[in-house]
Amino acid sequence: DTEVTQTPKHLVMGMTNKKSLKCEQHMGHRAMYWYKQKAKKPPELMFVYSYEKLSINESVPSRFSPECPNSSLLNLHLHALQPEDSALYLCASSQVSTGGETQYFGPGTRLLVL
Amino acid sequence: GQQLNQSPQSMFIQEGEDVSMNCTSSSIFNTWLWYKQDPGEGPVLLIALYKAGELTSNGRLTAQFGITRKDSFLNISASIPSDVGIYFCAGQWTGNTPLVFGKGTRLSVIA
Repeated sequence: DTEVTQTPKHLVMGMTNKKSLKCEQHMGHRAMYWYKQKAKKPPELMFVYSYEKLSINESVPSRFSPECPNSSLLNLHLHALQPEDSALYLCASSQVSTGGETQYFGPGTRLLVL
Repeated sequence: GQQLNQSPQSMFIQEGEDVSMNCTSSSIFNTWLWYKQDPGEGPVLLIALYKAGELTSNGRLTAQFGITRKDSFLNISASIPSDVGIYFCAGQWTGNTPLVFGKGTRLSVIA
């Protein structure tokens, strides 16, 4: 099983709203990721959690706030977003194996900021 | 930063034809990954490559990790309509470093 789940599937929010995106994996993976993807572009890395600790923040604005409550869950809290933040937000997880490390992506949350 | 050159940018092919796409890098990677993404969905892992020279198949898909560790290709044989989508390559130096993505190859299959 290589399933990463994300909720909600779609989200529409105003610029003054506060919302959260959720991600879950039950594969025992040690690392979890948030990516942002614009149409016709590759995913852009936002945050990496390794063993539940934030290890990489790719200079993401503070209106995006990640949280890793436990090894299976990853949240992305959204506050005071801008219309240009509208995008597909992808969660991924990975685990090092004897062959190497492979990232598995969730289905994404399509976010529209009005 | 590191960049991957993925080509072609787009392809229009007839059903049943074979497809080939590739990625090249200015620096070496220790892992190459190939993903397929359908509109509005997350990327789905197709093939993972971990050793230089490695050739791996997954059904009609075959991918190779270049011997120089700076390139990889993906072949799709006997294409079918459900092969339509965007294919991304991604390279990784080590397990603790971010993936570097190519810009994607958009595949269209004409029945």
